[in-house]
Amino acid sequence: GESVGLHLPTLSVQEGDNSIINCAYSNSASDYFIWYKQESGKGPQFIIDIRSNMDKRQGQRVTVLLNKTVKHLSLQIAATQPGDSAVYFCAENIRNAGGTSYGKLTFGQGTILTVHP
Amino acid sequence: DVKVTQSSRYLVKRTGEKVFLECVQDMDHENMFWYRQDPGLGLRLIYFSYDVKMKEKGDIPEGYSVSREKKERFSLILESASTNQTSMYLCASRYEASRSQHFGDGTRLSIL
Repeated sequence: GESVGLHLPTLSVQEGDNSIINCAYSNSASDYFIWYKQESGKGPQFIIDIRSNMDKRQGQRVTVLLNKTVKHLSLQIAATQPGDSAVYFCAENIRNAGGTSYGKLTFGQGTILTVHP
Repeated sequence: DVKVTQSSRYLVKRTGEKVFLECVQDMDHENMFWYRQDPGLGLRLIYFSYDVKMKEKGDIPEGYSVSREKKERFSLILESASTNQTSMYLCASRYEASRSQHFGDGTRLSIL
């Protein structure tokens, strides 16, 4: 039968608030994780990454937290601005049995962030 | 800045046609990727190439093929287009020592 696409999770915040976007992953063999931002009409843009042997990494206004116990990843955006409105994707890199991956990524379905002025 | 250029932003083709989507990157990246993006499904990997003339299937290769004759160019081919291949197609490239992929702005393909 025909498959039906899922509705994306949405997060709506006021300008200046902090935003937290969550992602669950499935594979404990993931080597690293990346967060991407996709604005309307554009391709995904790299935000920040984190290796699997780390718990936390900070960038400019963004922090990524990794909880390997529950296979959960989050992206925190401080002082959210209207320009942060976009779809956010988490992606994981999984090495194959031979130990190589060529940078292959498996993406989550995405979260829509809307920032109200 | 890395630039990944996809030849068309919008494309309309008919069922049964052979369709070529072209992607060029200007940073001498070894790895290149083709994804399709559908609402609610995220990005799904169709094929990737880890070097010139080298290719591997991704998660959804059926109905597609690829060509990488030169390092900077990676082509996606729909052998006989069908309506269920209507989608947004995204190309990406990656420097082998880096974790991040760099994306083009996509080709929105409609098959009628």
